[in-house]
Amino acid sequence: QSVLTQPPSASGTPGQRVIMSCSGSRSNIGSNTVNWYQQLPGTAPKLLIHSNNQRPLGVPDRFTGSKSGTSASLAISGLQSEDEADYYCAAWDDSLNAYVFGGGAKVTVL
Amino acid sequence: EVQLVQSGAEVKKAGESLKISCKGPGYSFYTYWIAWVRQMPGKGLEWMGIIYPGDSDTRYSPSFQGQVTISADKSISTAYLQWSGLKASDTAIYYCATVVTRQDVPQYFQHWGQGTLVTVSS
Repeated sequence: QSVLTQPPSASGTPGQRVIMSCSGSRSNIGSNTVNWYQQLPGTAPKLLIHSNNQRPLGVPDRFTGSKSGTSASLAISGLQSEDEADYYCAAWDDSLNAYVFGGGAKVTVL
Repeated sequence: EVQLVQSGAEVKKAGESLKISCKGPGYSFYTYWIAWVRQMPGKGLEWMGIIYPGDSDTRYSPSFQGQVTISADKSISTAYLQWSGLKASDTAIYYCATVVTRQDVPQYFQHWGQGTLVTVSS
């Protein structure tokens, strides 16, 4: 059971907007910034969003992160087939003294 | 872009020891914290610990404390993850990554290695 809770899957057709959630608690998302990682099939994870809503260089602006209270969300606008991947949220947890990940959400493009 | 290059896949028997490596760019390696992350077959990501190669300051996840040893040799820009007695449950892909910290607390993992697959048979 992951400390951060993500629905295991999300899907959409090309061009649609997909939103996935990440639920935590006061000791992790409530106190620290949230990050999102994208893992394409058979590859290493890649930093997608850091510090709640910051995109590293090279990440398309179709990807948007947000945070409110003890929850966060990642939105993908204009869904493309290349967005099929697993997406993980993560944050530092002050109580566990550990960097914690969500269980991951698999995005399928229909 | 910072490139981390990890050592190749390993096949071991339970009880054996193992040390895998993660090599970074020589010019700035010791200025980054390096994290190790486990991904068991078909499962999600788990943070194992971090090390600052500049002075080998190491922090472990409570879940992995005592189970593995993280070390580094800044002279060759390399971080290591080591086991003294492997178990079948250690079968996983292990990733290293550079870490952005704030007051020595990990904030996010910026650049990732390609991963090392460790297979342990019982």
